[in-house]
Amino acid sequence: EPEVTQTPSHQVTQMGQEVILRCVPISNHLYFYWYRQILGQKVEFLVSFYNNEISEKSEIFDDQFSVERPDGSNFTLKIRSTKLEDSAMYFCASSDRGGPEETQYFGPGTRLLVL
Amino acid sequence: GNSVTQMEGPVTLSEEAFLTINCTYTATGYPSLFWYVQYPGEGLQLLLKATKADDKGSNKGFEATYRKETTSFHLEKGSVQVSDSAVYFCALSDTGTASKLTFGTGTRLQVTL
Repeated sequence: EPEVTQTPSHQVTQMGQEVILRCVPISNHLYFYWYRQILGQKVEFLVSFYNNEISEKSEIFDDQFSVERPDGSNFTLKIRSTKLEDSAMYFCASSDRGGPEETQYFGPGTRLLVL
Repeated sequence: GNSVTQMEGPVTLSEEAFLTINCTYTATGYPSLFWYVQYPGEGLQLLLKATKADDKGSNKGFEATYRKETTSFHLEKGSVQVSDSAVYFCALSDTGTASKLTFGTGTRLQVTL
């Protein structure tokens, strides 16, 4: 069964450093998402992406964040200058259609720790 | 804005016990409702969903009914197994394209022999 994959599974970085989190969505999917979960808190929406552009972003997704689909398979989240409060589990998701009824398929997550 | 409220966990049950995890929501329009499950070390997996009022979603013995009058989507299972131990997330989707999900806090279920 097709699945969303994410790399790395864990990342430790120093405050102020740039990190890139990678995702490979399911191959025929067209809509891509990033969510995050700070330890003990809710899963929060960060950004959605369709047709090579951002569809929607949350207040969390400020100028320090960017997303890219550099080729036909990868979908990346970049944090330019990490802060301590960026420590969280980051989930990538994809769906083949973007409507409210559609199922989003999630990857296993990348746990980011900023020191 | 949209929000989802779930009962606090952890919930600890003996095998074969009846499970209810409460979920209520606040939303504009007519969202779809979802239950996702996260097993240890894994990502979020869709458990079931309902896309309109009075729909019942079901999967693996779990059920939830979309109740618009009470804005609820409670998860139930008649007889839990040890293998059901996981974190359960209630979520709703925005209307429109590229619909984002709004999640509850998650409820950890621990089933013991």
